[in-house]
Amino acid sequence: EPEVTQTPSHQVTQMGQEVILRCVPISNHLYFYWYRQILGQKVEFLVSFYNNEISEKSEIFDDQFSVERPDGSNFTLKIRSTKLEDSAMYFCASSVADSTYEQYFGPGTRLTVT
Amino acid sequence: KNQVEQSPQSLIILEGKNCTLQCNYTVSPFSNLRWYKQDTGRGPVSLTIMTFSENTKSNGRYTATLDADTKQSSLHITASQLSDSASYICVVSFISGTYKYIFGTGTRLKVLA
Repeated sequence: EPEVTQTPSHQVTQMGQEVILRCVPISNHLYFYWYRQILGQKVEFLVSFYNNEISEKSEIFDDQFSVERPDGSNFTLKIRSTKLEDSAMYFCASSVADSTYEQYFGPGTRLTVT
Repeated sequence: KNQVEQSPQSLIILEGKNCTLQCNYTVSPFSNLRWYKQDTGRGPVSLTIMTFSENTKSNGRYTATLDADTKQSSLHITASQLSDSASYICVVSFISGTYKYIFGTGTRLKVLA
């Protein structure tokens, strides 16, 4: 069964460094999402992406964040200058369409900022 | 304010027993409501998706109900198994230009042998 994959599974970085989290969505999916989950807290929506542009973003997704689909298969989340509070689990998800279609989540990347 | 509240926060039951998890929301305009199962350290996995017109939807031993008038949903788990131990998350979607997703804090279920 096709699945969403994410790399790396765990990333440790120093405050102020740039990180890129990578995701490979399911191949025939058109909508892509990033979510984050701070340890012990609820999942929070960051951004949705369709047709090579952001379709929706939350208040969390400020100028430090960017997303890209560089090569038609990968979907990346870049954090330009990491802060301690960026430490969280980051989940990528993909869907055939928005609205009532199921979103398939990847296993997540645990980001630790020291 | 768009919010999703879940109860209880945590629940412990014995294997084979049934349980019901609750979700109340104040999201508007409502599009759909989803229940996810999240194992520790893993991504959420979809259990059910319900739109405004659907009252009940089942997925194996999981049955979700939706009352759009009272803005309440429940997830009923029948004949629980040890593998049901996980967090169960209610997510409500609304439309404001595009689709937006509000996650509940989840109910942590532990099933004991």
